[in-house]
Amino acid sequence: KAGVTQTPRYLIKTRGQQVTLSCSPISGHRSVSWYQQTPGQGLQFLFEYFSETQRNKGNFPGRFSGRQFSNSRSEMNVSTLELGDSALYLCASSLAGISTDTQYFGPGTRLTVL
Amino acid sequence: QKEVEQNSGPLSVPEGAIASLNCTYSDRGSQSFFWYRQYSGKSPELIMSIYSNGDKEDGRFTAQLNKASQYVSLLIRDSQPSDSATYLCAVPELGGSYIPTFGRGTSLIVHP
Repeated sequence: KAGVTQTPRYLIKTRGQQVTLSCSPISGHRSVSWYQQTPGQGLQFLFEYFSETQRNKGNFPGRFSGRQFSNSRSEMNVSTLELGDSALYLCASSLAGISTDTQYFGPGTRLTVL
Repeated sequence: QKEVEQNSGPLSVPEGAIASLNCTYSDRGSQSFFWYRQYSGKSPELIMSIYSNGDKEDGRFTAQLNKASQYVSLLIRDSQPSDSATYLCAVPELGGSYIPTFGRGTSLIVHP
C-alpha cells in the first residue's frame, strides 16, 4: 500500500505571497492532519480534516487554512507569508482520526520564505 | 497550560545498553500516548502507542505509563547505532481538546 505523499517537496517563496501544499493520504484513510515543524517550536498541530470537514484546529492564525476533497486528498494554504512561516510542513493520515488512531506521516514539504 | 515535556538530550548510550526516554504531560485526563521516532531529515514514524497504566512491550521497545504521576517512558533494550534518532512523545488529547501535542523530542545517540 502506498504511503502518504506530499507535493511539492521543496518551495521557496517571498514574504507576502501565498502557497498551497498538497497531501494524498494512504488509501482508505479518511483523516488528514497537518503539522508545522520548526527547530524553535517543534512539531505543532495545525488542523485535522475528516470526511471533508475540519474537525480539530490548533492555535494558528487564520492565514493558515485547509480543505479536504471527497477522495480524502487535502490541501493547506498559507496566505500573506511571513519569514516565520519557514518550516517543514507535514501531513499525516489515519483511518479514524487523531484521538486514538495511528498517524502515518508523509515526507513533508520544506517551505522557505525569503 | 497544556504541556508535554521531554529532556532534549542528547542522551548518549553505548551499543547494547538500555536507553530510557521520559515524557511528562500536564493533563491527568489524557488517555492515549504515542512515541514517534524521527531520523534527521525524515518524518516521524510511530514506535509505540499505550493507553493503559503499566508496561507494553514490542520487541526491543517497552512503553511504560503511569497516569497518576503523569509520565510515560520508552525503554529501548539492546540499543543499536540505528536507534540514533530523535524520539517524540505525543499526547493527542490535552485538557479536553483534541489538539495533538508533541514534546520537543529527546535526541538519542547510540555509540559503538
